[in-house]
Amino acid sequence: AQTVTQSQPEMSVQEAETVTLSCTYDTSENNYYLFWYKQPPSRQMILVIRQEAYKQQNATENRFSVNFQKAAKSFSLKISDSQLGDTAMYFCAFGGRGSRLTFGEGTQLTVNP
Amino acid sequence: DTGVSQNPRHKITKRGQNVTFRCDPISEHNRLYWYRQTLGQGPEFLTYFQNEAQLEKSRLLSDRFSAERPKGSFSTLEIQRTEQGDSAMYLCASSFGGGDTEAFFGQGTRLTVV
Repeated sequence: AQTVTQSQPEMSVQEAETVTLSCTYDTSENNYYLFWYKQPPSRQMILVIRQEAYKQQNATENRFSVNFQKAAKSFSLKISDSQLGDTAMYFCAFGGRGSRLTFGEGTQLTVNP
Repeated sequence: DTGVSQNPRHKITKRGQNVTFRCDPISEHNRLYWYRQTLGQGPEFLTYFQNEAQLEKSRLLSDRFSAERPKGSFSTLEIQRTEQGDSAMYLCASSFGGGDTEAFFGQGTRLTVV
């Protein structure tokens, strides 16, 4: 079974600064996908970024980028130029051979003006 | 298409009552998932459908829970004889394809059992 661990329950950052959210996972699978989802207050979860495990290049989506270390089973999310609208719960998720997603416990990110 | 729709958004029920939630996925999506999320935790997988076939159920899904997806379109999740421990947010998601594709989530149904 896969497990996903987010060791930072809460983080805060000043507007325009950079913040990194951590995620580690455990799996015996070799081909899988990793995701970061954002859940704003009272709104649905939306995909921020995804990474295929077979790709060595780290995924980037505008201000969001990941640092994927397959051997260390680490998948951190970096948010550059933080904006007030980035305030949300962020979940790291694992998608393997099956269709289910396995989520971490989440990190509550607050961007301060 | 406006995305995944879930109804109702909120449900308060007395312990022992039955409740049913509905999920309307994005129309061209063949896969539909149900997750449960308790306060301060990440979503936990309950079950998923490919078209009308229920392909996997979590051990979290006790005998009191049943899900259907008739004709491969909308889905319902029923909880019989609700217990206080069933209080949670129930999330529905849909995707076109398997674990490598983006899952689109609804806003969820928040269940409170009193």
